[in-house]
Amino acid sequence: KQEVTQIPAALSVPEGENLVLNCSFTDSAIYNLQWFRQDPGKGLTSLLLIQSSQREQTSGRLNASLDKSSGRSTLYIAASQPGDSATYLCAVNRGSTLGRLYFGRGTQLTVWP
Amino acid sequence: NAGVTQTPKFQVLKTGQSMTLQCAQDMNHEYMSWYRQDPGMGLRLIHYSVGAGITDQGEVPNGYNVSRSTTEDFPLRLLSAAPSQTSVYFCASSLDYRTGYTFGSGTRLTVV
Repeated sequence: KQEVTQIPAALSVPEGENLVLNCSFTDSAIYNLQWFRQDPGKGLTSLLLIQSSQREQTSGRLNASLDKSSGRSTLYIAASQPGDSATYLCAVNRGSTLGRLYFGRGTQLTVWP
Repeated sequence: NAGVTQTPKFQVLKTGQSMTLQCAQDMNHEYMSWYRQDPGMGLRLIHYSVGAGITDQGEVPNGYNVSRSTTEDFPLRLLSAAPSQTSVYFCASSLDYRTGYTFGSGTRLTVV
């Protein structure tokens, strides 16, 4: 079974800092990995999707990297802002055609002014 | 496009009652899934479908039924609600196994 772990569970930083969120998974046979953002009481918003053949993806101040062989992904947030405060989830699409996602428990990020 | 639409947004049930959580998408996505999210447990897969007429069980299927008669709709049925089914339920869809998933805004269910 695919196990997904996110570290740290919570992070509190001042505005302007660059930060890294970590995601690790036990089975390297994946199709892709997706990073989501979840605001309190809301649904999941997709941030970045990295295919297994890719090393990284970028969107604005966000950069996600993937090292499939070591079972790790990182989400880098540059110049953090209070509006970045949310829970960040990573989900692994296991290597089958069934399209099942395995989620980590998330990193709760607080960016204070 | 509306994306993934879930109804209702909130629901309170009494133990033993049945109900159906609705999920509809207008993106012609073949893959659809239901997840539940509980504090400290993360998101767990209940049932999923890879196309109309095809469904299968996920990690926590007990107490839930699904069917997929059309590409657009994937309803989740609670047969006899129990307090352990108090949770937030999310529906998600994807074009296929290689593309990313789009999530609905969720249904918050309380069983008393």
